[in-house]
Amino acid sequence: AQSVTQPDIHITVSEGASLELRCNYSYGATPYLFWYVQSPGQGLQLLLKYFSGDTLVQGIKGFEAEFKRSQSSFNLRKPSVHWSDAAEYFCAVGPTDSWGKLQFGAGTQVVVTP
Amino acid sequence: NAGVMQNPRHLVRRRGQEARLRCSPMKGHSHVYWYRQLPEEGLKFMVYLQKENIIDESGMPKERFSAEFPKEGPSILRIQQVVRGDSAAYFCASSTLAVNEQFFGPGTRLTVL
Repeated sequence: AQSVTQPDIHITVSEGASLELRCNYSYGATPYLFWYVQSPGQGLQLLLKYFSGDTLVQGIKGFEAEFKRSQSSFNLRKPSVHWSDAAEYFCAVGPTDSWGKLQFGAGTQVVVTP
Repeated sequence: NAGVMQNPRHLVRRRGQEARLRCSPMKGHSHVYWYRQLPEEGLKFMVYLQKENIIDESGMPKERFSAEFPKEGPSILRIQQVVRGDSAAYFCASSTLAVNEQFFGPGTRLTVL
């Protein structure tokens, strides 16, 4: 069965420290992979996506993610977090051979402390 | 280029009433998706539509829920006889023909009293 797992429900990080959010997926083939961010009461904003090619993907707001086929992972990283990065982050997967639904992980809530 | 628009942003209904949620996709996008986010949970797919066609409704509850995307006008998600368990944020997303990168609207937060 297809699934997306974000093992960390909640992460607290100090401002200026590095951040890594984990995402593992189970899918029939290599899917399209996405990271979205959701601020409180807001919609989802796309941070970055992986379709093919270079496995290290650069996104907006200084985020990057690395696709590792052997581990079925797509972890999100940021070298130095800012207070404005406090939000909920969702990993999602989607089909490559057709248009269709995205499957989301349960999300990781990131809290940034001074 | 305006993004995906949803209205209303907040909707309060009493049990048994009907809720209508509207979604206008981005210009040039012909694919619309609806997702539901229950409190403390991720987004769950509900339905995928193209103009005048329902492509995949595997995530839609079998009763009370319906969706349409007419030739003209916004996509509508309709919930009849709402119950408290329908309280959630409902998000619409749209994409182009070319690739399945979905852009999300701000959501409609439905509260059922």
